[in-house]
Amino acid sequence: AQSVTQPDIHITVSEGASLELRCNYSYGATPYLFWYVQSPGQGLQLLLKYFSGDTLVQGIKGFEAEFKRSQSSFNLRKPSVHWSDAAEYFCAVGRKAAGNKLTFGGGTRVLVKP
Amino acid sequence: EPEVTQTPSHQVTQMGQEVILRCVPISNHLYFYWYRQILGQKVEFLVSFYNNEISEKSEIFDDQFSVERPDGSNFTLKIRSTKLEDSAMYFCASRTNPAADSNIQYFGAGTRLSVL
Repeated sequence: AQSVTQPDIHITVSEGASLELRCNYSYGATPYLFWYVQSPGQGLQLLLKYFSGDTLVQGIKGFEAEFKRSQSSFNLRKPSVHWSDAAEYFCAVGRKAAGNKLTFGGGTRVLVKP
Repeated sequence: EPEVTQTPSHQVTQMGQEVILRCVPISNHLYFYWYRQILGQKVEFLVSFYNNEISEKSEIFDDQFSVERPDGSNFTLKIRSTKLEDSAMYFCASRTNPAADSNIQYFGAGTRLSVL
């Protein structure tokens, strides 16, 4: 069965500092990996995805993530955080099969200090 | 930009009552999903729907739940007799042609269901 772990429930970061959110997955084959962001009162917005190819993927809002098969990880990074990045971030894994249900991690809430 | 819309944003109901949560997926999408997130817990898959039938469902999706695409635009989740533990945020999602390599699901803002 597929599963996703986000070890950090909360992270507080100063505006302008770098951010890294951890994600570890368990999946029997090559996974499809996603990061979504949820701002208060909003739905889940896709930040980026990994299907295959280059293991460093770029997303929206200046985010990037690196797929490391050997570590079963897909960590999300941003070099310089803005106050608007305060939100909850979810890592998810899916499969290529037609149904492609997503399995989500527990989320990491990011607080940005001025 | 096209988006998935869900109504209502907040639904309050009494235990034992039926509720219908409504979703309008993105217009050219063919695959539809419901997920839920109980407060403080993970987002969990409930059901996927394609070609007018359920393609996969989780063990959460028991006989109290049903889904329907009553017309060309709406996708609904019905809970027949709500329980306290059904209180959660319910997310609808849709994606385009399942044969496409772009396995991206687009989510609505959610409906918060409160069962009293």
